[in-house]
Amino acid sequence: DTAVSQTPKYLVTQMGNDKSIKCEQNLGHDTMYWYKQDSKKFLKIMFSYNNKELIINETVPNRFSPKSPDKAHLNLHINSLELGDSAVYFCASGASPPNEQFFGPGTRLTVL
Amino acid sequence: AQTVTQSQPEMSVQEAETVTLSCTYDTSESNYYLFWYKQPPSRQMILVIRQEAYKQQNATENRFSVNFQKAAKSFSLKISDSQLGDTAMYFCAFMKRLKGDDKIIFGKGTRLHILP
Repeated sequence: DTAVSQTPKYLVTQMGNDKSIKCEQNLGHDTMYWYKQDSKKFLKIMFSYNNKELIINETVPNRFSPKSPDKAHLNLHINSLELGDSAVYFCASGASPPNEQFFGPGTRLTVL
Repeated sequence: AQTVTQSQPEMSVQEAETVTLSCTYDTSESNYYLFWYKQPPSRQMILVIRQEAYKQQNATENRFSVNFQKAAKSFSLKISDSQLGDTAMYFCAFMKRLKGDDKIIFGKGTRLHILP
């Protein structure tokens, strides 16, 4: 029974394309997050949403647009992909008040 | 701003030995959580252990325990009787206990190799 799921697990695409990564959680949590893990394994927050409302936006380029149709889903759309966008993207969810976060399996994005 | 520092980029120990991973952090907050996450080659982020800052007692989970020194802002992870399956990246992490500012701040990780 997957708690936080992401699709796809792997994504290979050309520079300039637009792509989306989907995330769903079945934990009933109010808050969802996107983190980026770069090639040096460094993990950093990108966004958080609470009940479909954007809460945290950590100076991410406008090409990245999260979309939350409901509190169980937080999708990440990326326009005009660049080489530097290659990374592993993790979705996570957490309860309120915050005590821990549960991570999805990650999506490895490769931009050629 | 909060920072998390892991001073050991890589470590190797023999199976069955005990190993300690170091972590220090900097914050002016009084109410927060500290975590150790494990990331094996499968890349899944697995929560190993969690410590609430207001609790003085060190958290333990089976073979995993922490040494939480709040005044020194130190949060080390001890793995006892290490097993081959413990081979992974380990991330120390900090999170404010504050709705709306509950992003996790990660250290740069320690790559741990358990040798047979």
